Amino acid sequence: QLQLQQSGSGLVKPSQTLSLTCAVSGDSISSGGHSWSWIRQSPGKGLEWIAYVYPSGSTDYTPSLRSRVTVSLDRAKNHFSLELDSVTAADTAVYYCARDLTSGAFDVWGQGTVVTVSS
Amino acid sequence: DIQVTQSPSSLSASVGDRVTITCRASQDIRNYLNWYQQRPGRAPKLLIFAAFNLQSGVPSRFSGSGSETEFTLAISSLQPEDFATYYCQQSYSTPLTFGGGTIVDIK
Repeated sequence: QLQLQQSGSGLVKPSQTLSLTCAVSGDSISSGGHSWSWIRQSPGKGLEWIAYVYPSGSTDYTPSLRSRVTVSLDRAKNHFSLELDSVTAADTAVYYCARDLTSGAFDVWGQGTVVTVSS
Repeated sequence: DIQVTQSPSSLSASVGDRVTITCRASQDIRNYLNWYQQRPGRAPKLLIFAAFNLQSGVPSRFSGSGSETEFTLAISSLQPEDFATYYCQQSYSTPLTFGGGTIVDIK
């Protein structure tokens, strides 16, 4: 059964880097034919798509975060990661990883990580 | 960016009612429209993909319709477990965008 297990820090200081990992079991991130995404949810901005990482390792980022975000695959560990630099309080949200079933529909989600940006 | 606008933002209904939620896109997105259900403290759950395709395991009382710029999610007979928030999402082009959500609560 496909599962996505998130890990990473839930408290990040302003101006520092948010780092999260999504471990995938039950599918191969590089040969299973699916793309993978990070999505966040905050009370003020609702659900916000952040990025795609494709099986090839190529990426696609939302323009508003492109200058600060990096998403990557680790094929050996079968996981993918999110880094968001120079965080501010506006980056406080629940962060989710998800699998793209087909054409941008997300069928399996991680459990969510509550990230708070605060000193 | 493609904007997606849901209506209503909330509705109150009773068990057994038929409920419909509308999503409008700011441009033609063909049938690249997905629907999710979210319960408090949980991740969104995919209900319908590509406008009208029922995701595996989702009850048949859920249905989707529409194309181009106007789409509808219908619940034919509301069950107690259906009281939740519903979101539409366009996947025609990146950045992918979500509607603001519709809260379905008990009348």
